[in-house]
Amino acid sequence: QKEVEQDPGPLSVPEGAIVSLNCTYSNSAFQYFMWYRQYSRKGPELLMYTYSSGNKEDGRFTAQVDKSSKYISLFIRDSQPSDSATYLCAMREGAGNKLTFGGGTRVLVKP
Amino acid sequence: DAGVTQSPTHLIKTRGQHVTLRCSPISGHKSVSWYQQVLGQGPQFIFQYYEKEERGRGNFPDRFSARQFPNYSSELNVNALLLGDSALYLCASSGRTYEQYFGPGTRLTVT
Repeated sequence: QKEVEQDPGPLSVPEGAIVSLNCTYSNSAFQYFMWYRQYSRKGPELLMYTYSSGNKEDGRFTAQVDKSSKYISLFIRDSQPSDSATYLCAMREGAGNKLTFGGGTRVLVKP
Repeated sequence: DAGVTQSPTHLIKTRGQHVTLRCSPISGHKSVSWYQQVLGQGPQFIFQYYEKEERGRGNFPDRFSARQFPNYSSELNVNALLLGDSALYLCASSGRTYEQYFGPGTRLTVT
């Protein structure tokens, strides 16, 4: 069993819809949680960074962390075709430790 | 400010050869990490360096090695290349906040 599980998709939504992404994890030592966006053949771009349970909002993006359920989510409001990419969740135990990634979810926002 | 830079962008090698990949971190960042991303999967941690010292090593064979220089740039070396080493190699740098920012990657193809 992988430490971090993520549905590979693809997830196809119409423009303007809410995109809902999630990851589950098995390692209760994970304390820091991130979401990255990766366009085809590019490096991952950091979108959200959280370290506590609850919600964090930044523009059209909302990240949720539920440590008791070992479950994290990312919501994208008012989705745009430019949001079409692969979204990777990542997490780590300590502040300076290695990142453990999910496999990524491919998202397609159709005009 | 310039982000993380990596070179070369793409290279093609033959099985058994050696390869050196290079990374320059964001100015002021002292930590560099290397990840391997096979097509369709999330990145896998290879090495982390901080202040020229190895701080972490992932589950990769001894054919993989790395080092960090006094200016905090880094090299990843892979010996005796195998077909399975074909991947996108990502470098990430981090500073005081420990958030990891990725470069564009080097795409390695082994034939």
